[in-house]
Amino acid sequence: GESVGLHLPTLSVQEGDNSIINCAYSNSASDYFIWYKQESGKGPQFIIDIRSNMDKRQGQRVTVLLNKTVKHLSLQIAATQPGDSAVYFCAENPNRGSTLGRLYFGRGTQLTVWP
Amino acid sequence: GAVVSQHPSWVICKSGTSVKIECRSLDFQATTMFWYRQFPKQSLMLMATSNEGSKATYEQGVEKDKFLINHASLTLSTLTVTSAHPEDSSFYICSARVRAGGIITDTQYFGPGTRLTVL
Repeated sequence: GESVGLHLPTLSVQEGDNSIINCAYSNSASDYFIWYKQESGKGPQFIIDIRSNMDKRQGQRVTVLLNKTVKHLSLQIAATQPGDSAVYFCAENPNRGSTLGRLYFGRGTQLTVWP
Repeated sequence: GAVVSQHPSWVICKSGTSVKIECRSLDFQATTMFWYRQFPKQSLMLMATSNEGSKATYEQGVEKDKFLINHASLTLSTLTVTSAHPEDSSFYICSARVRAGGIITDTQYFGPGTRLTVL
């Protein structure tokens, strides 16, 4: 079953504010994590990833933080825009190096950006 | 790069018919592709792992005779929903692991999805 969960199913923020989406994982052996953005009726879009040998990774307006001690992952979106409104999923790969490379997805957080 | 396409984007069929969905990696080789289904307001559920040149690996509870997967080339995997019924109506999404320079990365890139409606 799923080993990744999310703390909040919905998040509403005002345009221009920063957003923080959280994710908890249960498999301490997981060493690769990905955040995806899914807009209505579309497939998930890769946002950013991080490996367990890192605590933080930054992209364009996004930052992923990994706390292995408490098995927590977060996605920070700076200066949130209306186009950021979507469902955000975290996913973990507990089988790095295997031939299957399955990803296990969390429930998803619906981010709504209001003007 | 790393573009995955799916065809068709949506399909409506009668109960009892079979539907084939194609998943293509457009600018990279994909030795491994994955098929997911997603119900409204729910997460992605992995159905099977498709390996080029070999049989697919199905997740527990997924009927392999109902959801036929073929991965005949490094850029194409197909999912055939046989004898479709209304309960098979769902959003089907494929993904692919990028193979670059002989190395298969862990990152999965997703197709746009196929909306299947069975009447």
